[in-house]
Amino acid sequence: EAGVAQSPRYKIIEKRQSVAFWCNPISGHATLYWYQQILGQGPKLLIQFQNNGVVDDSQLPKDRFSAERLKGVDSTLKIQPAKLEDSAVYLCASSKGQNYGYTFGSGTRLTVV
Amino acid sequence: GQQLNQSPQSMFIQEGEDVSMNCTSSSIFNTWLWYKQDPGEGPVLLIALYKAGELTSNGRLTAQFGITRKDSFLNISASIPSDVGIYFCAGQIKNTGNQFYFGTGTSLTVIP
Repeated sequence: EAGVAQSPRYKIIEKRQSVAFWCNPISGHATLYWYQQILGQGPKLLIQFQNNGVVDDSQLPKDRFSAERLKGVDSTLKIQPAKLEDSAVYLCASSKGQNYGYTFGSGTRLTVV
Repeated sequence: GQQLNQSPQSMFIQEGEDVSMNCTSSSIFNTWLWYKQDPGEGPVLLIALYKAGELTSNGRLTAQFGITRKDSFLNISASIPSDVGIYFCAGQIKNTGNQFYFGTGTSLTVIP
């Protein structure tokens, strides 16, 4: 089975610019997650989707971050405007359901300069 | 969010040695997961635990779901150089959106 696909792998932007990340989960996985992983730390959940609905976005900085999963399959995460502290790896993960272990993509490494 | 404390923070061991690491919390979890992350890659699921007291193996890896449901342990036997990486525990509390909270990670270095 194909894994979780993410693009781009790397992105360097200046502060105050905008950026978007794309994720295509494993086929048939209803639950999709976006995590932020700052260097030296464990992943932190930003948003969780069940099909095309948001289950949990309590830790998403909504003043600058947005995410959507319009057709319940692939998803995009956007940051606008970016800050220096947004430099991190953004991981997408999917699972069959909310009680199953995740499969992670390789992530997008964002550097804000 | 929930606090999961992993220890040790880092380990340097000789090839062939056994490794033990653990994850503790003040909260009760319903599911524990153990992941390994290589540089530049996303975490890869190693073992999933669903019941208190459960002991599960995956090759040279063995993990246990603590009886108190507040901790979990991962053991690696006869370590090899490819075991190098960062190991994360993740715990799930139901009725909190079912999200998994990740620990701070244990960095493992295996010296040939």
